[in-house]
Amino acid sequence: AQSVTQLDSQVPVFEEAPVELRCNYSSSVSVYLFWYVQYPNQGLQLLLKYLSGSTLVESINGFEAEFNKSQTSFHLRKPSVHISDTAEYFCAVSDRTGGYQKVTFGTGTKLQVIP
Amino acid sequence: DVKVTQSSRYLVKRTGEKVFLECVQDMDHENMFWYRQDPGLGLRLIYFSYDVKMKEKGDIPEGYSVSREKKERFSLILESASTNQTSMYLCASRPGTRNYGYTFGSGTRLTVV
Repeated sequence: AQSVTQLDSQVPVFEEAPVELRCNYSSSVSVYLFWYVQYPNQGLQLLLKYLSGSTLVESINGFEAEFNKSQTSFHLRKPSVHISDTAEYFCAVSDRTGGYQKVTFGTGTKLQVIP
Repeated sequence: DVKVTQSSRYLVKRTGEKVFLECVQDMDHENMFWYRQDPGLGLRLIYFSYDVKMKEKGDIPEGYSVSREKKERFSLILESASTNQTSMYLCASRPGTRNYGYTFGSGTRLTVV
């Protein structure tokens, strides 16, 4: 069985400050990792994903996440946040093995950017 | 722009009613999913479908059923709506390759009174 833990349900941060949203996972097999963002009253959008190769992955709007296998983490970071980054962020994990790819989502972290 | 379209943004239904939530995707994706989203619980998988006429139970299928008669359409059915099914329902699709992420619809907020 796999699981995802997002310890912080809410993260307030001032505009232009850095932010880190934490994600830890557990799985008995190799995994793919994803971050999704949900803006108010919208569905989720894929922000970035780790499949293989470089452990640091980036999105087009300045977010990055680093896969750390030893710590089973995939934390999301941005060096300087903007008001428009206010949203809920979900970490997700799926296994690489055969059969149906079960995707497990975390409970989400609400990022509130304060002007 | 690729899309997953959920037919209703908001729905209000009475207890005991049969409710249909429709989802259509225009990307020729093989896999489709229904999740419900509740505060503090994240997303929980209700049902999914690998392909046309195929369906599999997710983690919380009780009280729900699904239909996939055409590749682009995946319907969620609440056989007899109850107040504990008040939630945000999200439809998603994905190509038949596991390392793609999901494309989600905008969601249907269902209130059962």
